[in-house]
Amino acid sequence: GQNIDQPTEMTATEGAIVQINCTYQTSGFNGLFWYQQHAGEAPTFLSYNVLDGLEEKGRFSSFLSRSKGYSYLLLKELQMKDSASYLCAVRDQLGDYKLSFGAGTTVTVRA
Amino acid sequence: NAGVTQTPKFRILKIGQSMTLQCAQDMNHNYMYWYRQDPGMGLKLIYYSVGAGITDKGEVPNGYNVSRSTTEDFPLRLELAAPSQTSVYFCASSPASGTDTQYFGPGTRLTVL
Repeated sequence: GQNIDQPTEMTATEGAIVQINCTYQTSGFNGLFWYQQHAGEAPTFLSYNVLDGLEEKGRFSSFLSRSKGYSYLLLKELQMKDSASYLCAVRDQLGDYKLSFGAGTTVTVRA
Repeated sequence: NAGVTQTPKFRILKIGQSMTLQCAQDMNHNYMYWYRQDPGMGLKLIYYSVGAGITDKGEVPNGYNVSRSTTEDFPLRLELAAPSQTSVYFCASSPASGTDTQYFGPGTRLTVL
């Protein structure tokens, strides 16, 4: 089974940086995904990490440490439209494309 | 391309009624999934399929059934609806590739009264 933990809520100011942490305990590991989900909408893909290190995509970056069972999503230069829930998801077996999701972190960006 | 489509968008059922949630994708993806999302909770996998004619249970399959007769369609059947099945249901699909993400439909908001 999987245990995936992330904070419930975070608040930050427009233009600031926010870091959302995700820790996981899994029987195996084959990749970690971050999704963004605006209220009332479907999740959309943000990033994917399978090797240790930092992946950067514009204002968003994601980091993975497999030995620590830890990832974070870094949102820079926050904009009001970044107010959303951010979901951490782990794939646990090679060749098995099922994902296990954390409960999500609701980020509120204030002016 | 429409991507992943789901119907209906909203539905209210009475306890004991049955219904089918429709899901279709036009990306020729092999893998398809059904999730439910309760308020403040993550997505829970109900059923998934790795190709036409093949389905398997996820984490919370009780009270649901699925079929996959074509690559494009993956309907979810609720038999004898219960209030505990009040949720938002998302269908997703992905190609048979390890690095590719899942693509989600817009969701169906179901209330059972």
